[in-house]
Amino acid sequence: DGGITQSPKYLFRKEGQNVTLSCEQNLNHDAMYWYRQDPGQGLRLIYYSQIVNDFQKGDIAEGYSVSREKKESFPLTVTSAQKNPTAFYLCASETLDGQPQHFGDGTRLSIL
Amino acid sequence: GQNIDQPTEMTATEGAIVQINCTYQTSGFNGLFWYQQHAGEAPTFLSYNVLDGLEEKGRFSSFLSRSKGYSYLLLKELQMKDSASYLCAPMSPYNQGGKLIFGQGTELSVKP
Repeated sequence: DGGITQSPKYLFRKEGQNVTLSCEQNLNHDAMYWYRQDPGQGLRLIYYSQIVNDFQKGDIAEGYSVSREKKESFPLTVTSAQKNPTAFYLCASETLDGQPQHFGDGTRLSIL
Repeated sequence: GQNIDQPTEMTATEGAIVQINCTYQTSGFNGLFWYQQHAGEAPTFLSYNVLDGLEEKGRFSSFLSRSKGYSYLLLKELQMKDSASYLCAPMSPYNQGGKLIFGQGTELSVKP
């Protein structure tokens, strides 16, 4: 079945450590997005990419980095510069033709 | 600037009808999406409006007025499983990234 796969489902980070969240899609979608959601809040855009080897900062990119070396993959690294990384992270993709964004099941990141 | 405004919480009775309003101010507009999100899960697509008027899809309908920067989601014959957060998300034009701008969401509680 086609879909978006995020892994791991739960992730723990030690202080000063970088961690990478995986997002893979087999929907042949051009665009991919990373969102952060805090309790009781809406989704905030971290980074997005409309084509391979290109990506743009969203509203809250500080402390995060991404790469888009393949169409199917858009990993997000939460760096030690992100001082409050505890949140629910959602990856999404779309075709850029008016169809809705499809979301992965999310990764919940916590600080040890 | 960009601003999305939805009520934070609503309560309704099983079998009733509820209308969730959303007003938005965005620098560009390319349609508006409504998503449903159950606690701890990824958002799922409900509806999309790009032209003014009403879109109906079973028990769910969505209305858009572009001149007023206003949309609503109408849920009929409410069921207990409709208890969830409902996210209003205008989309920017693709030459501005085709990004979804999410409101904080409306937490709907359906009571017996």
